[in-house]
Amino acid sequence: SYKLTQPSSVSVSPGQTATITCSGDTWGDKFASWYQQKPGQSPVLVIYQDKKRPSGIPERFSGSYSGNTATLTISGTQAMDEADYYCQAWDSSTPWAFGTGTKVTVL
Amino acid sequence: EVKLVESGGGLVQPGGSLRLSCPVSGFIVSSYYMSWVRQAPGKGLEWVSIIYSGGSTFYADSVKGRFTISRDDSKNTLYLQMDSLRVEDTAFYYCARVPVAPPSHFDYWGQGTLVTVSS
Repeated sequence: SYKLTQPSSVSVSPGQTATITCSGDTWGDKFASWYQQKPGQSPVLVIYQDKKRPSGIPERFSGSYSGNTATLTISGTQAMDEADYYCQAWDSSTPWAFGTGTKVTVL
Repeated sequence: EVKLVESGGGLVQPGGSLRLSCPVSGFIVSSYYMSWVRQAPGKGLEWVSIIYSGGSTFYADSVKGRFTISRDDSKNTLYLQMDSLRVEDTAFYYCARVPVAPPSHFDYWGQGTLVTVSS
């Protein structure tokens, strides 16, 4: 199965920018999506198709992609953004694959 | 409002079976792809299975031949039949909606149901 690697943890001060990377071999034309999961809750989609934001997701969440790495950026991080974040990749020849997950701590 | 509500989880012995249900509201289940995703306690997310709007089904290698995904259009409900369960199948199981074009992501999730496989 396709492997996606994320940093296990990221720490950020309130108001600062948090950057979470997601790396995979031979990314090709895969789409990247990102999910936020708070303790005891279901995942919530925050970015899809690399950089699109679902309705209701704050503008401080943005996505980008370059080379073999997708990136989730949280600008002006707030305490409520403390959660686990998972990337996920898909293309027509690769089953849905999730990243290893990143715990974001707002100090 | 889109809602997905899983049920059917519980404690089962290795080798046993369980059937998970996921009735949905706010959309027609046959108009979308529908999927199951699981998460072992304290671990990451793992895609399990998907059923396309046309009825085609696909499975992760870890469950192929043991799990069966299906849906009942008259009840607007998704199912996951799990047979020959193993200890490593212990996880929260989420049903999730997948947009058809392209089916690149999971846009709505249920609250999850816990399956525990233990003797």
